[in-house]
Amino acid sequence: QLVQSGAEVKKPGASVKVSCKASGYSFTSYPMHWVRQAPGQSLEWMGWINGGNGNTRLSQKFQGRVALTRDTSASTAYMELSSLRSDDTAVYYCARPIFNDAFDIWGQGTMVTVSS
Amino acid sequence: DIQMTQSPSSLSASVGDRLTIACQASQGISNCLNWYQQKPGKPPKLLISDASNLEPGVPSRFSGSGSGTDFTFTISNLQPEDIATYYCQQCANLPLTFGPGTKLDLQ
Repeated sequence: QLVQSGAEVKKPGASVKVSCKASGYSFTSYPMHWVRQAPGQSLEWMGWINGGNGNTRLSQKFQGRVALTRDTSASTAYMELSSLRSDDTAVYYCARPIFNDAFDIWGQGTMVTVSS
Repeated sequence: DIQMTQSPSSLSASVGDRLTIACQASQGISNCLNWYQQKPGKPPKLLISDASNLEPGVPSRFSGSGSGTDFTFTISNLQPEDIATYYCQQCANLPLTFGPGTKLDLQ
């Protein structure tokens, strides 16, 4: 399963770091993806990190603002989003893919609210 | 980026109904198409991968088909617990993209 950190409230311009702790499988054998969902909206893929070597691939939309990292000793992945804006208000999910980037395990979601 | 569209955007149906949701990709994606069910306040749940492969434990009343740009998702014999929003997702190219969703409710 994937267990994420708790809800955050941030001011515009700040940064937020969300954690995702994995258990029940080999963390280094799978990538970890990050997907967000603004209130009432669809799902938006942000990027992934290779659990083994730490390589990352980000959606162009988030390049320069998102950093994906992981701590293999803690089986935990992190997503840090900087220069927050009000339209970053969303639930942020981590998700583990099976083949063909189909996400079979999701974290419970972390609500990030950006408000002055 | 590959754009995904879904129709209808919302659907009212009755218990026992058979219903179909369409998903279209802006370019060919072979069979790299996944379907999810999402209930309020919960993360999505994977129902179907590779356009037609039912995930373990998912009831057989759910099915998917299609290839290329046009896909369908069907629920036969609708049950009350199927009330949710359904999303398609293409896995052929990065960035991965999702459809806008189809919200299903009971008539």
